[in-house]
Amino acid sequence: GESVGLHLPTLSVQEGDNSIINCAYSNSASDYFIWYKQESGKGPQFIIDIRSNMDKRQGQRVTVLLNKTVKHLSLQIAATQPGDSAVYFCAESRSNAGNMLTFGGGTRLMVKP
Amino acid sequence: DTGVSQDPRHKITKRGQNVTFRCDPISEHNRLYWYRQTLGQGPEFLTYFQNEAQLEKSRLLSDRFSAERPKGSFSTLEIQRTEQGDSAMYLCASSFPGPYEQYFGPGTRLTVT
Repeated sequence: GESVGLHLPTLSVQEGDNSIINCAYSNSASDYFIWYKQESGKGPQFIIDIRSNMDKRQGQRVTVLLNKTVKHLSLQIAATQPGDSAVYFCAESRSNAGNMLTFGGGTRLMVKP
Repeated sequence: DTGVSQDPRHKITKRGQNVTFRCDPISEHNRLYWYRQTLGQGPEFLTYFQNEAQLEKSRLLSDRFSAERPKGSFSTLEIQRTEQGDSAMYLCASSFPGPYEQYFGPGTRLTVT
């Protein structure tokens, strides 16, 4: 069935290092992808998005890469800070399905000082 | 604060009672989405509106769940005859129509005893 999954449930990095969080999706009709950060007890917070006609998009300290050939998405966080500690979700949507988001299970990022 | 707001933030109810949650979206957004999130999982889509029209409701978990957005502004989600399995975080998000980021509210945490 359709799914958006994550390769690693927990990622532990040293402060200042770069972090890479990976995500796989299975629906080739997906045309919009988005990363969210969620801290305990809060709603998901938008980080960055990418449309299927792009393969890379950069934000402040974050980069999203999209490989449509292997249906893979990644989030790179540069110079990871303690405030980046949270659960990260990737999500996909399709314009012909109301753009409702299908989320993966999440990766917990732990930043060691 | 011009973000998405939800009320109440926490609700404890006894099994069999009805509960209603409210969501106030970002005022410029005409799309409003409801999701449910259980512990350790990503949000799961329930239903969405464009203005006052409910365009997808087949993902509502049972006929005990219903949602409204009567004037195309705020929305309510009602759960009738609550069960312990309904305990979860209920999230609301809003966006412009199409492949645009959805902004989430802080959620309503429901506990059914």
